[in-house]
Amino acid sequence: DAGVTQSPTHLIKTRGQQVTLRCSPKSGHDTVSWYQQALGQGPQFIFQYYEEEERQRGNFPDRFSGHQFPNYSSELNVNALLLGDSALYLCASSWRDRLNTEAFFGQGTRLTVV
Amino acid sequence: AQSVTQLDSQVPVFEEAPVELRCNYSSSVSVYLFWYVQYPNQGLQLLLKYLSGSTLVKGINGFEAEFNKSQTSFHLRKPSVHISDTAEYFCAVSDGGFGNEKLTFGTGTRLTIIP
Repeated sequence: DAGVTQSPTHLIKTRGQQVTLRCSPKSGHDTVSWYQQALGQGPQFIFQYYEEEERQRGNFPDRFSGHQFPNYSSELNVNALLLGDSALYLCASSWRDRLNTEAFFGQGTRLTVV
Repeated sequence: AQSVTQLDSQVPVFEEAPVELRCNYSSSVSVYLFWYVQYPNQGLQLLLKYLSGSTLVKGINGFEAEFNKSQTSFHLRKPSVHISDTAEYFCAVSDGGFGNEKLTFGTGTRLTIIP
């Protein structure tokens, strides 16, 4: 069983550009959450997708947007990149309506903005 | 609003010695508590979780944690550490009804094992 897979693993972009990160959830999971982990910090919640809709959102600007597809995979889009967007972006998947479950994390995408 | 405080940013410990990593939380509602481990250039792996029931929770790799509601703490312990335990450890809290909602993380504790 493949766990949560993210692509690409590393990415270098220039300020002002746009980027798309991808996530495939663990088999059977229907919910995808995205986190940003800046260097030396804990992960911060960006948003969560369930049934192809954004269900919860953290304190991130509208430059950060997402999408969930019918197969539960998800994309994170960031527009007008800033140097401060450089971070490890983590995707987590889970079952939304099951008790006693936890989120499984992918290996992350390391985004560097230059 | 929820928050998590990890009191120690770095903890050096000799191999085979015991270790305790401290975590305090604040929340206005019932909480679910987690400890995750992150090895270099890796994602997060769940060590253990508290959702309800016994306040002493056992996890993988010999780790355990105790939920203390009166002190709003969820400290992580291991009686004897190994070199392979060198990693970053994150405490997290969720107020989701199913235990898998938005996670609020602490800033992490870097555990370094000294041979």
